[in-house]
Amino acid sequence: DVKVTQSSRYLVKRTGEKVFLECVQDMDHENMFWYRQDPGLGLRLIYFSYDVKMKEKGDIPEGYSVSREKKERFSLILESASTNQTSMYLCASSLVLVNEQFFGPGTRLTVL
Amino acid sequence: AQSVTQPDIHITVSEGASLELRCNYSYGATPYLFWYVQSPGQGLQLLLKYFSGDTLVQGIKGFEAEFKRSQSSFNLRKPSVHWSDAAEYFCAVGGRGGATNKLIFGTGTLLAVQP
Repeated sequence: DVKVTQSSRYLVKRTGEKVFLECVQDMDHENMFWYRQDPGLGLRLIYFSYDVKMKEKGDIPEGYSVSREKKERFSLILESASTNQTSMYLCASSLVLVNEQFFGPGTRLTVL
Repeated sequence: AQSVTQPDIHITVSEGASLELRCNYSYGATPYLFWYVQSPGQGLQLLLKYFSGDTLVQGIKGFEAEFKRSQSSFNLRKPSVHWSDAAEYFCAVGGRGGATNKLIFGTGTLLAVQP
């Protein structure tokens, strides 16, 4: 089975802190994704990566950056956390040309 | 524009009753279609998917969904709901071809199950 893991289930940070969310997948998938999930808004795509060191903006990239130095690892970075970035963050991965995405358990981030 | 609509935000059903969750999509070509389930505090788990062929697809946990091209719908059904089915359900649509296989998600339907 595909396994997608995220470094933290719960995280509490202060406004202005730099925050790193890590995601690792173990199935050699080409594509990796970061979403944020908010009540009533569903899943919104922040960034995705289709290869090592390659990235593309999703629908809501403002305030975020990403890094993919190794195929299995995709990091989401909040350069200066703000309270409106309090949310559930979900990482996913998929094979090239196949849309089925496999999700990690999520990180619930609270920014105070 | 590509979009997915789940018109029901909340649904409550009694245990043992049948269930249908609605999903409508707008997409330029025949899409890939998915239903995911999210239990409280968890990530999303794939219930079923439609790529091509038989328009009635079977999934895990006794769920099925039917692709109706004429109605641009992909509704999820279960003949008899169990208390453990209480969760949030997301419909998603994706495109064919291309290396960046993004999915578009609906806003979700929260299912409550009454004893």
